[in-house]
Amino acid sequence: QVQLVQSGAEVRKPGASVNVSCKASGHTFTNYYVHWVRQAPGQGLEWMGAINPNGGSTSYAQKFQGRVTMTRDTSTSTVYMELSSLRSEDTAVYYCARDYISSFDPWGQGTVVTVS
Amino acid sequence: QSALTQPRSVSGSPGQSVTISCTGTSNDVGGYNYVSWYQQHPDKAPKLMIYDVNKRPSGVPDRFSGSKSGNTASLTISGLQADDEADYYCCSYGGSSLYVFGTGTKVTVL
Repeated sequence: QVQLVQSGAEVRKPGASVNVSCKASGHTFTNYYVHWVRQAPGQGLEWMGAINPNGGSTSYAQKFQGRVTMTRDTSTSTVYMELSSLRSEDTAVYYCARDYISSFDPWGQGTVVTVS
Repeated sequence: QSALTQPRSVSGSPGQSVTISCTGTSNDVGGYNYVSWYQQHPDKAPKLMIYDVNKRPSGVPDRFSGSKSGNTASLTISGLQADDEADYYCCSYGGSSLYVFGTGTKVTVL
């Protein structure tokens, strides 16, 4: 079955960067965009951006332009999301999700990033 | 892009129906038939319930239905069950490869 498995929890100090990985299996990796969505504690979902594994083109929400970088490694079917210049407001659960006809399905299990 | 507007909470008794609205603009909800809905139980990843305004993925009960009129999309849950108690989020394509989520609605089964 299609599955996305994310890397484990991270703790960073303000000003640092974090890199979260998302390994895909069960489908042809280069055929589907991968999106990143985050959720701060007690808050709603926030779309951060997406990457096309076929070629590596990206689109980012304006809020994260300049601070987020999404990349992929086709040899391992893994996408990466790096967020830099971290601040306390970036403390959140970060999810990757496969594109499914302009929706998101399935989702990874989430990665907790704590900035403190 | 601003978040789509959803009611903070809705509630209903088992067996009843509830409807959640999702209001955007002509640049997102009103401009594209790419509205999706997600169910999220506490401490779980979201689950796709509706895509393309009114289509259900395999495995989602037909008690869940979606619609759209103008800049407002809606999710209706019929025959409310205890397990439907969760947070629900709408999401719309906003053009230029960008997406925007709704503010989220907590559904309570009385």
